Amino acid sequence: SQTIHQWPATLVQPVGSPLSLECTVEGTSNPNLYWYRQAAGRGLQLLFYSVGIGQISSEVPQNLSASRPQDRQFILSSKKLLLSDSGFYLCAWSEGGTSNQPQHFGDGTRLSIL
Amino acid sequence: AQSVTQLGSHVSVSEGALVLLRCNYSSSVPPYLFWYVQYPNQGLQLLLKYTTGATLVKGINGFEAEFKKSETSFHLTKPSAHMSDAAEYFCAVSDRQSGGYQKVTFGIGTKLQVIP
Repeated sequence: SQTIHQWPATLVQPVGSPLSLECTVEGTSNPNLYWYRQAAGRGLQLLFYSVGIGQISSEVPQNLSASRPQDRQFILSSKKLLLSDSGFYLCAWSEGGTSNQPQHFGDGTRLSIL
Repeated sequence: AQSVTQLGSHVSVSEGALVLLRCNYSSSVPPYLFWYVQYPNQGLQLLLKYTTGATLVKGINGFEAEFKKSETSFHLTKPSAHMSDAAEYFCAVSDRQSGGYQKVTFGIGTKLQVIP
């Protein structure tokens, strides 16, 4: 069966520090991968998606970036965090090339910027 | 463009009462529809999905939803609420975009409170 791992679960960082959040998927090949940010009362905002290694698309302009160095690894990064980057970050995967299958989510990372 | 509207950001029901969470969607093509549940500090878990076929869809934990094309609705129901159902619920609609990725639009969520 497929599993998705996301870490760390919580992170407290000072403003201006770098960020690296990692997500890995097991049990599937060539998945679509997604990074979302969830703010209270605002639902889920899609930040990045990837349909293959090295292929990253950004949905919103921001100081975050994403990379996919391996088929089942998705990394969210920042060189300098802002206060507004605080939130709950979720990684998800879905079967590649389909739209009728659900996305499957990791347990999320609670990021607090001080 | 697709969109999802969840009526009621907070819903309270008594334990044992009917749960009804409303979702209306907008989509230019036949939609794929999903309901997810989220417990505090956890990711989203799939409750059920509608793709094609039977319009009444049964999911986990006793939940079900009915796709009504004429009403563009996909309301979530459960006959008898349990304390463990207290969580946030998200309705979502999916549409395939160019480039082969799945664009999913989520509603803003409905927090369900179950009163003992």
